[in-house]
Amino acid sequence: DTTVKQNPRYKLARVGKPVNLICSQTMNHDTMYWYQKKPNQAPKLLLFYYDKILNREADTFEKFQSSRPNNSFCSLYIGSAGLEYSAMYLCASSRRTGGGYAEQFFGPGTRLTVL
Amino acid sequence: GDSVTQTEGLVTVTEGLPVKLNCTYQTTYLTIAFFWYVQYLNEAPQVLLRSSTDNKRTEHQGFHATLHKSSSSFHLQKSSAQLSDSALYYCALSYTGYQNFYFGKGTSLTVIP
Repeated sequence: DTTVKQNPRYKLARVGKPVNLICSQTMNHDTMYWYQKKPNQAPKLLLFYYDKILNREADTFEKFQSSRPNNSFCSLYIGSAGLEYSAMYLCASSRRTGGGYAEQFFGPGTRLTVL
Repeated sequence: GDSVTQTEGLVTVTEGLPVKLNCTYQTTYLTIAFFWYVQYLNEAPQVLLRSSTDNKRTEHQGFHATLHKSSSSFHLQKSSAQLSDSALYYCALSYTGYQNFYFGKGTSLTVIP
């Protein structure tokens, strides 16, 4: 099974409320990623977990949090949603390789709308 | 900084005609890998092609691309577009041995009868 699952597929949130998005994979991949995708923009990497080590991008450091309770699951948490958080959130996973390239496997995304 | 550019946001082509989606990049790294991802409606992006070898043609599902480091390009081409090719296509750059990807904005391909 090479699928990455994301829940929910659609999420409606109110401004100022928290949002929690879930991602899971059963490929035993060591790395899991979260991207934000807005119309006419490239997917933007927000953060990724390599094993238990969290790496967050500098410009989104304070806006997003994440947890990875085990190898298969990874969450993305927004403490207080703003209108600018409305976007598609894509989760991906990969396995680190010694010297080759690490293909990323994507989930179908969660479309977050903040009102 | 490193970047990937897909110049066309929308491409419309008639079924049976050739199609080319452009992808260029900027990077200072030498050992690079490229991917084309395709995302069909309501589905996850999936890898269509991958390459890390300069001037070597890579083919899959009728699509082909060649990494040209001399021109910093990895264009996606197909000789005869099919209706089922209608989707969103992303070009992505990675560095061999690393995990980070740089994506282009994506090109939405629509194939019409």
